[in-house]
Amino acid sequence: ETGVTQSPTHLIKTRGQQVTLRCSSQSGHNTVSWYQQALGQGPQFIFQYYREEENGRGNFPPRFSGLQFPNYSSELNVNALELDDSALYLCASSWMAGGADTQYFGPGTRLTVL
Amino acid sequence: DQQVKQNSPSLSVQEGRISILNCDYTNSMFDYFLWYKKYPAEGPTFLISISSIKDKNEDGRFTVFLNKSAKHLSLHIVPSQPGDSAVYFCAASAGGSQGNLIFGKGTKLSVKP
Repeated sequence: ETGVTQSPTHLIKTRGQQVTLRCSSQSGHNTVSWYQQALGQGPQFIFQYYREEENGRGNFPPRFSGLQFPNYSSELNVNALELDDSALYLCASSWMAGGADTQYFGPGTRLTVL
Repeated sequence: DQQVKQNSPSLSVQEGRISILNCDYTNSMFDYFLWYKKYPAEGPTFLISISSIKDKNEDGRFTVFLNKSAKHLSLHIVPSQPGDSAVYFCAASAGGSQGNLIFGKGTKLSVKP
């Protein structure tokens, strides 16, 4: 059974650029959630995708967008990067019927915006 | 405004003793609570959860206590082991086990041999 993987591991961008982060969900999972973890903070919910549709969104602006593909992998896109977007981005996959305690996190992508 | 608060950034405990990690919340709509453990360079891993209809849930060395009137929960680890050294996050949901999670800032636990 393959766990949740994320790519890239680290990324450096400059302000105003766009970035795409990728997440491969655990085998058998149909739901992916994305979180932003700033330094010294807990993860903050960005949005969740279930069967290729957005299924809930946190308090993030529209320049944060996502996609989920038929194989349930997912992308997080951030446009017009700002310095405050520097953070660890975590994705978590789950089986929708399983609940939050069956959510498995990937190791994250560390994004630095200069 | 933080809805889930972990007021102790760090905690140091001797191996074999009890570790008690605390978490307070402000939103009375929260009905499901979880604890996650995070090692460096890894994602958080689920540890234990509790529904608001219970006041205690136990799993091996880990016990979570919920005091709804005080809006407080705690995680007890007995006995503590050096491998328990990690950052522990408290999280809460207002939609049961299916809801979106609100995390605290975490507490770094160090268990010394």
